[in-house]
Amino acid sequence: AQTVTQSQPEMSVQEAETVTLSCTYDTSENNYYLFWYKQPPSRQMILVIRQEAYKQQNATENRFSVNFQKAAKSFSLKISDSQLGDTAMYFCAFMKPRMSSGDKLTFGTGTRLAVRP
Amino acid sequence: KAGVTQTPRYLIKTRGQQVTLSCSPISGHRSVSWYQQTPGQGLQFLFEYFSETQRNKGNFPGRFSGRQFSNSRSEMNVSTLELGDSALYLCASKQRPPETQYFGPGTRLLVL
Repeated sequence: AQTVTQSQPEMSVQEAETVTLSCTYDTSENNYYLFWYKQPPSRQMILVIRQEAYKQQNATENRFSVNFQKAAKSFSLKISDSQLGDTAMYFCAFMKPRMSSGDKLTFGTGTRLAVRP
Repeated sequence: KAGVTQTPRYLIKTRGQQVTLSCSPISGHRSVSWYQQTPGQGLQFLFEYFSETQRNKGNFPGRFSGRQFSNSRSEMNVSTLELGDSALYLCASKQRPPETQYFGPGTRLLVL
């Protein structure tokens, strides 16, 4: 079974600064997908970024980028130029899609990020 | 395209009652997954449906059930509600490719 670990329960960053959230996972699979989701106070789960394990290039989405280290099973999220709207709970998630047994996201416990003005 | 919609958004029930939650996926998405989120257990997978078939089920008691209709809309049912069933229930839909689940706003269930 896959496990996802987020070792930072809470983090704080000054507006306009850069912050990195950590995530490690454990799997014996070779091809899989990793995600960062954001959950603001509204509780809506919003996709931030996605990484396909067979791609060596790190994914980027505007101010959000990842550092994907497959051998180390590490998947960190870097937020540049932090904005007040980035204040949220951030979840790291793993998925191995299977036609036979379906798709299931395995989530970490989350990191609560506060952006200070 | 419209996003994933869930109804109702809020629900208050008493112990022993049953409840049905509804989820309408993004148009064209055939896979629908359900998750339970609680402060104590975090985000846990309930089940996943694809083309009206349950392909995977999480470690939940039989009181939790679901189904999917031919238009891909899905419902989940919880019978004989317990206080511990109070949670945010999230629905997500996906198409292949890309292998990405998009979530609805959730249904907050409070069991008294």
